[in-house]
Amino acid sequence: QVQLVQSGPEVKKPGASVKVSCKASGYTFTNYGLSWVRQAPGQGLEWMGWISTYNDDINYAQKFQGRVTMTTDTSTSTVYMELRSLRSDDTAVYYCMRTAVWGQGTTVIVSS
Amino acid sequence: DIQMTQSPSSVSGSVGDRVIITCRASHDIESWLAWYQQKPGKAPKLLISAASSLETGVPSRFSGRGSGTDFTLTITSLQPEDYATYYCQQAKSFPYTFGQGTKLEMK
Repeated sequence: QVQLVQSGPEVKKPGASVKVSCKASGYTFTNYGLSWVRQAPGQGLEWMGWISTYNDDINYAQKFQGRVTMTTDTSTSTVYMELRSLRSDDTAVYYCMRTAVWGQGTTVIVSS
Repeated sequence: DIQMTQSPSSVSGSVGDRVIITCRASHDIESWLAWYQQKPGKAPKLLISAASSLETGVPSRFSGRGSGTDFTLTITSLQPEDYATYYCQQAKSFPYTFGQGTKLEMK
């Protein structure tokens, strides 16, 4: 079945970087772009950006420009999201999603 | 950026009630609107795409209407499993913004 499986939880110190992976299966990887969405504790959904898995076109939310990088590895059907210069307010669950399919979420905690 | 405004922020209802949630876009998004349901600790689940197209497996008590800037999600005959938070999202143009969410609680 169609699945997006994300990497495990992370605990990082302020100023560090985190790289979350999202492995797709059950469909042709290059047919669908993927978005990253995050949700801080008790808060709503925040769209971070989108990457084409076909030609690497990218669109980042202005808020994350300069701090986020999204990449793809078509050989493993995996998309990555790296967020740098982490702050405490980056503590959130990070999701990859494709139309009707969401990953299970990756908890990132930023704490000194 | 297109702003998405949901109302109300929270709503309460009893089993069997009808509930309507609205979503307003700051610009014309045609029918590029999705509705999601999220339960605590879970990833969101797509209910409706293209403003009114019910996803496979979603009960028919859920329906979506609207185009342009004004949209509604209606749940007829609330069931216990419907208590959750609902989000709209526009996919007309980047960034694909979400509404702030509507929490549906038991009365």
